[in-house]
Amino acid sequence: ETGVTQSPTHLIKTRGQQVTLRCSSQSGHNTVSWYQQALGQGPQFIFQYYREEENGRGNFPPRFSGLQFPNYSSELNVNALELDDSALYLCASSSHRLTLAKNIQYFGAGTRLSVL
Amino acid sequence: AQTVTQSQPEMSVQEAETVTLSCTYDTSESNYYLFWYKQPPSRQMILVIRQEAYKQQNATENRFSVNFQKAAKSFSLKISDSQLGDTAMYFCAYQYSGAGSYQLTFGKGTKLSVIP
Repeated sequence: ETGVTQSPTHLIKTRGQQVTLRCSSQSGHNTVSWYQQALGQGPQFIFQYYREEENGRGNFPPRFSGLQFPNYSSELNVNALELDDSALYLCASSSHRLTLAKNIQYFGAGTRLSVL
Repeated sequence: AQTVTQSQPEMSVQEAETVTLSCTYDTSESNYYLFWYKQPPSRQMILVIRQEAYKQQNATENRFSVNFQKAAKSFSLKISDSQLGDTAMYFCAYQYSGAGSYQLTFGKGTKLSVIP
């Protein structure tokens, strides 16, 4: 198992609501990436945070936003939830510093979000 | 934009036999990494193996090995002596190794079932 933890494990919301998902990165890692995995699909990159700044973003609207804290943990916020936001949200941590394992992403078990 | 294609939605193999999962990708870059990740029903994405594009030698990790054909943009995974615990979704992923967010681009996955 990796040291990446995500909470909550499962969440049910209604359309139009807002949600916050949380991720604690593996010890020694300074970078967090978020992915959305729809049912039966591969994960899609949402964005990445490095040193508390957004460091790359995929094709997701601005209602998907994030934060990274000084301890490198991170939050993903989604506003105005839509039915299509129902998915597994995966967090991955990595490090720009490690020589041999540079930028290898280690994943948490995800948060399953259901939007009704 | 980079794309990753896994043309086998589902595969099955007898326990102790060998199976090969296929992956092709498209990129105009010369420096990148390729990965195979395993996602069991527990949902956590687990790194199986990584290949650096500048290395001609194929990566191996115990029972797992790859056949990396850079010119053909092909990256297959061979699992030897298949075990019941290998039953999972397998995702091929691409990561540009130059400056940037080091985001992963995933294929749609291959569901592997190991039959006793």
